[in-house]
Amino acid sequence: DTGVSQDPRHKITKRGQNVTFRCDPISEHNRLYWYRQTLGQGPEFLTYFQNEAQLEKSRLLSDRFSAERPKGSFSTLEIQRTEQGDSAMYLCASSPLTNEQFFGPGTRLTVL
Amino acid sequence: AQRVTQPEKLLSVFKGAPVELKCNYSYSGSPELFWYVQYSRQRLQLLLRHISRESIKGFTADLNKGETSFHLKKPFAQEEDSAMYYCALLSGANSKLTFGKGITLSVRP
Repeated sequence: DTGVSQDPRHKITKRGQNVTFRCDPISEHNRLYWYRQTLGQGPEFLTYFQNEAQLEKSRLLSDRFSAERPKGSFSTLEIQRTEQGDSAMYLCASSPLTNEQFFGPGTRLTVL
Repeated sequence: AQRVTQPEKLLSVFKGAPVELKCNYSYSGSPELFWYVQYSRQRLQLLLRHISRESIKGFTADLNKGETSFHLKKPFAQEEDSAMYYCALLSGANSKLTFGKGITLSVRP
């Protein structure tokens, strides 16, 4: 286990298509976070899981976005009917109980 | 609502010069602050956190509650310090991070 992994690393899609990203956290980290980062900005919080329960969602997470973490292990983030404004880097982070968050390499989404 | 402000986008210094990366925050609760760093083509990683009061790679940061600041300092910059630096505030029961916009540090030989 070398850290948080994300798949795919890059995704190019056409407007209106659905996309799904996967995050595999560090084993035994019960906390999992999704962030979004656009050009020139720092990461912005999207949603949080503790084990399999989604406990918080940002207002940034519109109805087109859904996230899951079945069995409290990996997580998926799905965007339906993508828009050009969804183009961003999507980051996943996991954390034990010490509040330090370990980030994955991110998935860069480009919506044409 | 919590907010983190990094007022500068870019700091360019010569090797051996002192570095100070500014960070100010706004938060009604007891703050827990971090500096994250992203080297070229690498993932975001934790540099230091204020509760540890450690010096990492020669960097230090002191939380000043009166000035609501958490500036990152290093007395003698090295070329390998060139990277993007983000200040972040931990908040809420779910410990989410609020990041500043980041600053690019460029250390010239």
